[in-house]
Order: sequence, then structure tokens, then C-alpha cells
Amino acid sequence: AQKITQTQPGMFVQEKEAVTLDCTYDTSDPSYGLFWYKQPSSGEMIFLIYQGSYDQQNATEGRYSLNFQKARKSANLVISASQLGDSAMYFCAMRETSGSRLTFGEGTQLTVNP
Amino acid sequence: DAGITQSPRHKVTETGTPVTLRCHQTENHRYMYWYRQDPGHGLRLIHYSYGVKDTDKGEVSDGYSVSRSKTEDFLLTLESATSSQTSVYFCATRRDRGYSNQPQHFGDGTRLSIL
Repeated sequence: AQKITQTQPGMFVQEKEAVTLDCTYDTSDPSYGLFWYKQPSSGEMIFLIYQGSYDQQNATEGRYSLNFQKARKSANLVISASQLGDSAMYFCAMRETSGSRLTFGEGTQLTVNP
Repeated sequence: DAGITQSPRHKVTETGTPVTLRCHQTENHRYMYWYRQDPGHGLRLIHYSYGVKDTDKGEVSDGYSVSRSKTEDFLLTLESATSSQTSVYFCATRRDRGYSNQPQHFGDGTRLSIL
């Protein structure tokens, strides 16, 4: 069974600094995808970034990048130049290509301080 | 946005009553999902659908049923609501399975309180 672990319940960062949110996963499927979502206090789920297991390069989307270390089964989200609006809950999720379900981690609450 | 509308957005009801939540999408996505979100658990899959009248159970399906009679609508029913089903419920959709890098898109959620 696939499993996602986010070990940081809460993280704090100063505005304009970079922050890394950890995510490790476990799967026996060689083909899978990893997703990060942001959930601000207003409650909606916002898709941020995707990494495929066969992608040769780490995914990037604006200030978001994914530090993908396949051998260690980790897919950490890096947010550069943090902004106050980045304060939110962040979820890591995985989907095995053989299936259609997403499995979510428990999330990390990020607080950006001015 | 995938054009996902959940209704109602908020509901308070009593234990033992039936409750139906509706998810409506305008993108003709094949896959639809129902999740619940509780503190300390992230999002957990209740049921999902991979086509009209094709549904399957998720990890927390006990006490819930679903129906999908047309592509755009996916209904979640609590036949006899219990206080443990107090939660925030999210609907999500995704394009066809062949698009493996496609994320799920989420509705804005339904906050359900069962007293």
C-alpha cells in the first residue's frame, strides 16, 4: 500500500527566506506521480507542482521547486522568497500510475513571519 | 479551474438523518472523487467514480454511498448520519487516466456538522 509521510506538523519562516517542506513516500510501483497542494485558511485546495517518477529533472513552477530524491523516496517542496500569502497548510500526495487514487500526507502548516 | 461546484457549502443536521452532498462539474472529467478532511488525517478518500455508474470504495467508505447517473454529477449520501461523520467534505475531478500528470482539481468543500 502506498503511504505518504510529512514529519513537520508546523514550520515557521521569515518573509523573503526559502523554506523546505519534507515529504517521504513508500510504494512498490515503479511508476508514480507526486503532487503538492496548498490549502490556505479559506479552505480551498490549490495544486502547486507535479513530479513524475521517471522525470529526469526536478520540477519547478515559479517560486516552487521539488527536490526529488528517488533513491531516498523523498519529494520535498522548496518555496523560495517566502511571502506572507504563502502561510497555509501544504499537502504532499502520491498517485501510482497503475491506479487512479491520490494518497495524501497529513500536511504541514507553514507560517511566514514578517 | 475545473468548474466544480459543491452543494450545500454548509449543513448542520441531527444524528440519524439522511444527508446527500452534491458535486457538479462542467469539465467533462471522467474521474470524480469524494474525500473527507479531519485534523491530523489529511484528506482521506471515501469513494470515487471512473465513469457513469462506475464507482469504487476508498479507505473510509463505511457509512457512505455514492451515485453517478451522469458525467457531471457525483452524489455522496450518508444514509444515517453519525457524529463521527462531522467533517469537511471535498469533491475532486480529474481527466482521463491516460493523462498521468494531471492533478485532481478540488471543489471548495462542504462543512458538515452532525449534532
